[in-house]
Amino acid sequence: ETGVTQTPRHLVMGMTNKKSLKCEQHLGHNAMYWYKQSAKKPLELMFVYSLEERVENNSVPSRFSPECPNSSHLFLHLHTLQPEDSALYLCASSQDRGGKKLFFGSGTQLSVL
Amino acid sequence: QKEVEQNSGPLSVPEGAIASLNCTYSDRGSQSFFWYRQYSGKSPELIMFIYSNGDKEDGRFTAQLNKASQYVSLLIRDSQPSDSATYLCAVNQAGTALIFGKGTTLSVSS
Repeated sequence: ETGVTQTPRHLVMGMTNKKSLKCEQHLGHNAMYWYKQSAKKPLELMFVYSLEERVENNSVPSRFSPECPNSSHLFLHLHTLQPEDSALYLCASSQDRGGKKLFFGSGTQLSVL
Repeated sequence: QKEVEQNSGPLSVPEGAIASLNCTYSDRGSQSFFWYRQYSGKSPELIMFIYSNGDKEDGRFTAQLNKASQYVSLLIRDSQPSDSATYLCAVNQAGTALIFGKGTTLSVSS
C-alpha cells in the first residue's frame, strides 16, 4: 500500500459506544494530523503529532483521545460522543511538522446517533 | 483569530473558460499558500502551492499571490468538467499547521 490509509471508511455509533479510528502512512513522514470536516465549515485541525509527540491540541473535547505509537500510525479513540460530532474525520501526514504539503487519507465518515 | 476566507460558490463556468477562485487571509505573517482540490466524497489533494509574490504556473493552473493585499487566487484555464470539485485554500506560517478556508465549489458545464 502507498500513501495514507484510514479505517474504517464509515462508522455509525451510539453516544455510549467506544470506538477507534486508525490511520497509517507509508510515506516516511514525521508528522501526522487529525482534521474534522463538517458540512459548510472549514477543515478543523484537531491534533498534530511530530515524531510521535503531540505538539498541538486545538481545544478538542476530551471525548476525543489521540494516540501515536510510532511515526507511521495514528489513532483517534472516541467515547461518549455527541450527535454534533458527526463529520468526516481526516488523517493527514507531512514530511515535517510545518505541515506544508499534506497528504490526506480517504477519511472516516462518522455518524453519532 | 487567524482566518482564511473563500466564497463558497457555486462558481459555474462553461467548458473551455477560465475559472478564477479567490482567497483572502487575515494573518500577515503567513508564509506558505496552498490550493487543495476535493472531489465529492473524496479527500483533499494538493494541486498548487506558492511562497512568493507573483504567479506560479503548472499546466492549466496558475496560482497568484499578493501578500500586500493578503490575497491568493487560483486560475484554471480551459476548464474541463473533470475540474468540477471544491477548491480549498490553505495558509500557514513556518512551523505551524495549515489553516483552511471553507472552500469554493466549482462546476464546469459541458
